[in-house]
Amino acid sequence: NAGVMQNPRHLVRRRGQEARLRCSPMKGHSHVYWYRQLPEEGLKFMVYLQKENIIDESGMPKERFSAEFPKEGPSILRIQQVVRGDSAAYFCASSPRTGNTEAFFGQGTRLTVV
Amino acid sequence: DQQVKQNSPSLSVQEGRISILNCDYTNSMFDYFLWYKKYPAEGPTFLISISSIKDKNEDGRFTVFLNKSAKHLSLHIVPSQPGDSAVYFCAATGGTGGGADGLTFGKGTHLIIQP
Repeated sequence: NAGVMQNPRHLVRRRGQEARLRCSPMKGHSHVYWYRQLPEEGLKFMVYLQKENIIDESGMPKERFSAEFPKEGPSILRIQQVVRGDSAAYFCASSPRTGNTEAFFGQGTRLTVV
Repeated sequence: DQQVKQNSPSLSVQEGRISILNCDYTNSMFDYFLWYKKYPAEGPTFLISISSIKDKNEDGRFTVFLNKSAKHLSLHIVPSQPGDSAVYFCAATGGTGGGADGLTFGKGTHLIIQP
């Protein structure tokens, strides 16, 4: 049973370009969470999705960021017109159900904006 | 505003001794707490958790204690081993800070086990 798969592991983008980060949850998991870790910071919640639904996006910046989790395929975190401040590690986690349970994390995508 | 606080950015402990990592929270709606361990360039891995109906949970060398009245939890590792050197994140859920069921994380404590 493969774990949470994120790709790419490393992504370099120039300012103004778009970044697409992919996350395939563990088999059988229908809940996906995206977190961002800025340097010297903890992980900050961004968005919680279930298949075809955004449940909570209270941690997402209001502009340029969007997320989806289609019926088929991985969850995508999309950042348009990237700026240097978007440089961070982005982690995806999945869980099998809501409520009190641990989430399993992928290895993260390190985005560097140059 | 930080709802989960880990006030020690780093902690150095001698191999074989007890490591105690602390975590405080402010949101009284949190009812489930977790500890994650993270190595550089890897994602966090789940270590141990505790529900608010308990005050202690033990798993091998790892024990988590919860003091609800003080809104404080701690992770004890005994005996500490070199492979325990990592960043430890405290996380909580059940409140509104981390989304409907998302986790709210502290900033982490870097544990260094000295030989």
